[in-house]
Amino acid sequence: AQTVTQSQPEMSVQEAETVTLSCTYDTSENNYYLFWYKQPPSRQMILVIRQEAYKQQNATENRFSVNFQKAAKSFSLKISDSQLGDTAMYFCAFMKGGGATNKLIFGTGTLLAVQP
Amino acid sequence: DVKVTQSSRYLVKRTGEKVFLECVQDMDHENMFWYRQDPGLGLRLIYFSYDVKMKEKGDIPEGYSVSREKKERFSLILESASTNQTSMYLCASSLWPSYNEQFFGPGTRLTVL
Repeated sequence: AQTVTQSQPEMSVQEAETVTLSCTYDTSENNYYLFWYKQPPSRQMILVIRQEAYKQQNATENRFSVNFQKAAKSFSLKISDSQLGDTAMYFCAFMKGGGATNKLIFGTGTLLAVQP
Repeated sequence: DVKVTQSSRYLVKRTGEKVFLECVQDMDHENMFWYRQDPGLGLRLIYFSYDVKMKEKGDIPEGYSVSREKKERFSLILESASTNQTSMYLCASSLWPSYNEQFFGPGTRLTVL
């Protein structure tokens, strides 16, 4: 069975600085997808970034980028130039490929606080 | 913009009551999901549906059932609510196939007394 581990329950960063959130996963699959979702306080969860395992290039979305290390089974999220609006719970998630009805498996989340 | 709505933001029920949580999406998504979110446990999948009248068990289906009679609506039913079902319930939807982005509703915080 696949598992996703987020070892940092809480983190704090100063506004405008860079922060990295860690995520590791365990799988024997070769084809899979990895996601970071963001849940702001009292607001709906949204997708931040997605990575296909077959792609070697790390995904980026504006200030958000990932460091995907397939051999190490690591998928960290880097947030550059942190903003107050980045304060949220961040969830790493895994989905195996090769099927149309596969499930997302979430980590336990990292609560990020951006300090002014 | 995709919109996923849930019938209630907060709900308080008594032990043994039958509880219905409703979820509606307006973007013609094939897939719909019900998750439970608890501190320190992340999100856990209860049930999902990839078509009308189709349903599949997730990781924690015990004590829950679902109904999908129309494509846009996915209901979660607690047949006899218990205190250990006090939680935040999140609904999500996505296009087929399942690796597409999931869009989430605002959540229903259910308290069972």
